[in-house]
Amino acid sequence: SQTIHQWPATLVQPVGSPLSLECTVEGTSNPNLYWYRQAAGRGLQLLFYSVGIGQISSEVPQNLSASRPQDRQFILSSKKLLLSDSGFYLCAWGQGFSYNEQFFGPGTRLTVL
Amino acid sequence: GENVEQHPSTLSVQEGDSAVIKCTYSDSASNYFPWYKQELGKRPQLIIDIRSNVGEKKDQRIAVTLNKTAKHFSLHITETQPEDSAVYFCAAIGGYNKLIFGAGTRLAVHP
Repeated sequence: SQTIHQWPATLVQPVGSPLSLECTVEGTSNPNLYWYRQAAGRGLQLLFYSVGIGQISSEVPQNLSASRPQDRQFILSSKKLLLSDSGFYLCAWGQGFSYNEQFFGPGTRLTVL
Repeated sequence: GENVEQHPSTLSVQEGDSAVIKCTYSDSASNYFPWYKQELGKRPQLIIDIRSNVGEKKDQRIAVTLNKTAKHFSLHITETQPEDSAVYFCAAIGGYNKLIFGAGTRLAVHP
């Protein structure tokens, strides 16, 4: 069966510091991968998606970037965090265009101080 | 692009009553509509979904209906229980299997 991991689970970072969040998927190959952000008490905003290694599409202009160095690894980064980057970051995977279901990882709660 | 609107934003019911959450979508090409349940501090969990080739789908106490003509879909929870309390999100599929989410409904079930 498929499993999706995210780490760290929680993170407190000062403004201006760098960020690296990692997501890995097990039990599947060539998944579509997604990064979402959820501000406190709010909905889910799609940040990036990837249909393959090295292929990244950005949904909104922002202070973040994403990379997919391996088939089942998705990384979210920032060079300099802003206060507004605080939130709950969720990675999700889906099998592909014929299978629409998406499943979320456990999330990383980021607080920028 | 695709837009999904969800109502109500909060819903309070007594245990045993039914709860209905409604969503509308803008892209007539959308053909997949999932519902997620998110408990406090946890990840969203897929609870039920429907594809555009059917009008209704049931799974025990939950059901989803779809009206493609009106571009509406709804979640129905019957015989609500306190453990149904959570935030529920609807979504519609866009290009590249991107899910566009509604803003969420906070459901409170009171004993």
